Formats: sequence, C-alpha cells, structure tokens
Amino acid sequence: QKEVEQNSGPLSVPEGAIASLNCTYSDRGSQSFFWYRQYSGKSPELIMFIYSNGDKEDGRFTAQLNKASQYVSLLIRDSQPSDSATYLCAVRVNRKLIWGLGTSLAVNP
Amino acid sequence: DGGITQSPKYLFRKEGQNVTLSCEQNLNHDAMYWYRQDPGQGLRLIYYSQIVNDFQKGDIAEGYSVSREKKESFPLTVTSAQKNPTAFYLCASSDRVSDTQYFGPGTRLTVL
Repeated sequence: QKEVEQNSGPLSVPEGAIASLNCTYSDRGSQSFFWYRQYSGKSPELIMFIYSNGDKEDGRFTAQLNKASQYVSLLIRDSQPSDSATYLCAVRVNRKLIWGLGTSLAVNP
Repeated sequence: DGGITQSPKYLFRKEGQNVTLSCEQNLNHDAMYWYRQDPGQGLRLIYYSQIVNDFQKGDIAEGYSVSREKKESFPLTVTSAQKNPTAFYLCASSDRVSDTQYFGPGTRLTVL
C-alpha cells in the first residue's frame, strides 16, 4: 500500500516566523514530489514541486527532499496570516499522484 | 486566459438521479483527472484519462462514469448507483512533460 503521511496539525505559528511542514512517503520508486495549498472551500493550488535531493527555493517557500530518508518538507519563511490554509503533499508514482491528508497551518497576527 | 473550468459550482441532486459535472481545459494538456474530496479525507482518484478516447478507473470508480471524446473536455457522471455522492469534486489536468496537476475550482454536489 503506497502511503503519504502528514501531521494533520493544526500547526500554529506567529506572524513572521518560519513554518515547517513535513511529509513522509513509503514507495521508494516515487519520482517527484509536490506541495499544494488549499484554502477552506477552494481547490488545491500548486506551490512547488521537487525532483532531486536537496533544497529548492521559490520566494518565501523552500522544498527539501531526502530520498534516502523518504521525506519531503516545505518551509515557509516570514509566515503571513494569508498563509493560513491546509498544505497537501503529493507524491508521483508512475503516472498517478498519491496524496497525503494535509497539514492545517494557522499563522497568528 | 488559460485554465480549467468546472460547472456548475454547486449542484443539488435528488436520490435516484444521474448528474453530469463538466470539466473543460484550454491548457492543451493530454491528461485529465477526477477526484473526490470529503471532509477530513484526502483526495481520492475516481477516473483519469491520459489521451483522448481512453480512460482508466481510479481508486473509487464505482457509481461513476466518464467520457473523453475531446482533448479539452472530461465530463463526470455521478449515477444513482453511487450511494454517498455528497462531496467536493475536483477536476485536474497535467501535461506529459512535468506531470504537474492543475486543478479547476471544483463542484460541490449535495444529495437532497
């Protein structure tokens, strides 16, 4: 059974802090890794994806991938109240995405 | 303005009725997907199509049907055989190169 696991939260951070979201996966054949943000009642929107071990930065967001330990993380620097949402991790295996249940993030002003 | 559109935004169905949810994309993506999302649960794949005139069942296809007659369109029919259809339905598409999925705004279906 291919699985993607995330801490459901809620993760609460003060405005301006770094939020760290983690995701572990079970299938070593996983090929690429995605982070999506989903506001309540809305559809998921892509934040970023990562294929290779290491860090990938895009603005305030950094994705970190460690294939040996089978985890991928998302760091959000200078967190803003508008970052309050559920963050979904997805892992591509063959041509399909396996989804985590998401981590709820609350950024407090 | 490129993107994925879904209609209607809200849909109410009486028990025993079939309903069809629309999904259209103008991103020239080959692959399209239908997911269902229930409160507290992750995205569950219903059907997907990687090319016109071909589609495959996902993890929860029972009670649903699809067609892919055009590259731009991938409608989902929720049949009366689906016992618990109330959910948020999401359509997505992806290109061949990155396999990155992009989502439409969703349709919220409620059975009365």
